Amino acid sequence: KAGVTQTPRYLIKTRGQQVTLSCSPISGHRSVSWYQQTPGQGLQFLFEYFSETQRNKGNFPGRFSGRQFSNSRSEMNVSTLELGDSALYLCASSRGQYSGNTIYFGEGSWLTVV
Amino acid sequence: AQTVTQSQPEMSVQEAETVTLSCTYDTSESDYYLFWYKQPPSRQMILVIRQEAYKQQNATENRFSVNFQKAAKSFSLKISDSQLGDAAMYFCAYRSANSGGSNYKLTFGKGTLLTVNP
Repeated sequence: KAGVTQTPRYLIKTRGQQVTLSCSPISGHRSVSWYQQTPGQGLQFLFEYFSETQRNKGNFPGRFSGRQFSNSRSEMNVSTLELGDSALYLCASSRGQYSGNTIYFGEGSWLTVV
Repeated sequence: AQTVTQSQPEMSVQEAETVTLSCTYDTSESDYYLFWYKQPPSRQMILVIRQEAYKQQNATENRFSVNFQKAAKSFSLKISDSQLGDAAMYFCAYRSANSGGSNYKLTFGKGTLLTVNP
């Protein structure tokens, strides 16, 4: 059974550009969530989707957005990139019907903003 | 809002020895889940063990066990017979059991970097 797949794994962008990261959840999982990991702030929750609906959003500016498609795949977008957006972005999936479902993580997308 | 605190930024252990990683949390809820995740150099978060707050029995998974003290809001991880492959960053995490609103997320501690010495 394939795990959570994130693409691209590594990317370098210039300040002011935008970026789109993709996440394919484990088959049968309908919940996808995103986390940002930096050395200074640690792991911070970005947002969570279930059946194409955003159920929760973390404390990030509006430049950070996401969506989920009917096949449960998800994308997150960051516009007008800033140097501080350099981070590991982790996607996670779960069955999602209730909060006790185990959450599985992908290997992450490394974003460097120069 | 819930908070998770890991007071040990780094720990080290000799191979085959036992080590305990500490975690405390703050919440006003009575029903929740606690997790320990391992993040090796590959950076993929791997679930080590989970504990349901309504269960008094401490969870165990092979060499990994927890000491869950609900009243003290403490959730420590014990690794027995440490192996070189256990070297990683370990994160303690909290998730509300209430399925709704702002509860579809994990709240993480800052992590503890575990080194295993041969």
